[in-house]
Amino acid sequence: DAGVTQSPTHLIKTRGQQVTLRCSPKSGHDTVSWYQQALGQGPQFIFQYYEEEERQRGNFPDRFSGHQFPNYSSELNVNALLLGDSALYLCASSLGGTVTQYFGPGTRLLVL
Amino acid sequence: EDKVVQSPLSLVVHEGDTVTLNCSYEVTNFRSLLWYKQEKKAPTFLFMLTSSGIEKKSGRLSSILDKKELFSILNITATQTGDSAVYLCATDRGGTASKLTFGTGTRLQVTL
Repeated sequence: DAGVTQSPTHLIKTRGQQVTLRCSPKSGHDTVSWYQQALGQGPQFIFQYYEEEERQRGNFPDRFSGHQFPNYSSELNVNALLLGDSALYLCASSLGGTVTQYFGPGTRLLVL
Repeated sequence: EDKVVQSPLSLVVHEGDTVTLNCSYEVTNFRSLLWYKQEKKAPTFLFMLTSSGIEKKSGRLSSILDKKELFSILNITATQTGDSAVYLCATDRGGTASKLTFGTGTRLQVTL
């Protein structure tokens, strides 16, 4: 039973560039949430996708956008990268309205 | 704004000790509290608590929720070096989407 997978594992970008991160949910799950985890902090909720729609959004600017595909996989896009966007980006999947979310290994983004 | 506070921020114990990690919260329309263990990247799910006073146990780990005083504790007995990790507490509020609000975590180091 495949767990949550994310790609790439690491990424280095420069300020102003754009980045796309990818996530495949755990088998049987249909809901994907994205979180940003800065060093020494807990994960912060970016947004959640269900049935290809953004269902809820955290306090992140419009530079952060996402998409969910019919197979439930998801992408996180960040435009006009800032140094402060350097963080571990975690994807979590769940089933419908259930609370328990299962996390992937994350993508570590470094913005220079 | 929802708030989750964990204490202590870090802890160093000897193998075999018992530890208690604390999590207090202020959440509108609280639904449940979750504990995760984060060793390197992916937080792994430990417990979900929704009712007061009911202890959840898994081996040497146990957790309890107090909805009146708005806190939870995570106990680890007979600690092992493999328990070294960051322990994250998260809350979920009622609604269609499950958006987790995390504390900053407690970093536990178990030494020989």
